[in-house]
Amino acid sequence: AQTVTQSQPEMSVQEAETVTLSCTYDTSESDYYLFWYKQPPSRQMILVIRQEAYKQQNATENRFSVNFQKAAKSFSLKISDSQLGDAAMYFCAYRSGGGATNKLIFGTGTLLAVQP
Amino acid sequence: DTGVSQDPRHKITKRGQNVTFRCDPISEHNRLYWYRQTLGQGPEFLTYFQNEAQLEKSRLLSDRFSAERPKGSFSTLEIQRTEQGDSAMYLCASRRQDNYGYTFGSGTRLTVV
Repeated sequence: AQTVTQSQPEMSVQEAETVTLSCTYDTSESDYYLFWYKQPPSRQMILVIRQEAYKQQNATENRFSVNFQKAAKSFSLKISDSQLGDAAMYFCAYRSGGGATNKLIFGTGTLLAVQP
Repeated sequence: DTGVSQDPRHKITKRGQNVTFRCDPISEHNRLYWYRQTLGQGPEFLTYFQNEAQLEKSRLLSDRFSAERPKGSFSTLEIQRTEQGDSAMYLCASRRQDNYGYTFGSGTRLTVV
């Protein structure tokens, strides 16, 4: 079974600085997708960034980028120029490329605080 | 696109009572998922619908839980004889078959007292 591990329960960053959130996963599959989701206090989960395992190039979305190390099964999220609105719980998630369900498997999350 | 709607937002119930939650997915999304999220944890998969067919159920979904999606539109999740351990946030998500993006609702927070 696939598992996702986030070893940082809480992180803090100064506004305008850069922070990296860690995520490791375990799978025997070769075709899969990885996601970072943001869950603000309003609780609605929002997609931050997505990475396809077959792509070697790291995904980037504006201030958000990932460091995808397939051999190490590592998928970290870098937030540049942190803003107060980035404060939230961040979840790393895994999805199989095959199969019928394509359910997401989540880590336990990292609570990010942004200090003004 | 009005997003995924969940109702109610909050529910407080006494132990032993039955509760039902509703999820209205985005209209063109044929795939619907239910997740449960307890405090300090990530969401855990409960069940999946493709159109009206329930194709997968997690072992977390005990006999007291039942989910339906009549006509492949809205879905309901019912918990019978609630227990304190059922207290959690219940999240619904939907997506189109050809799309990677899952849209989540704001969830229903259940408190069993």
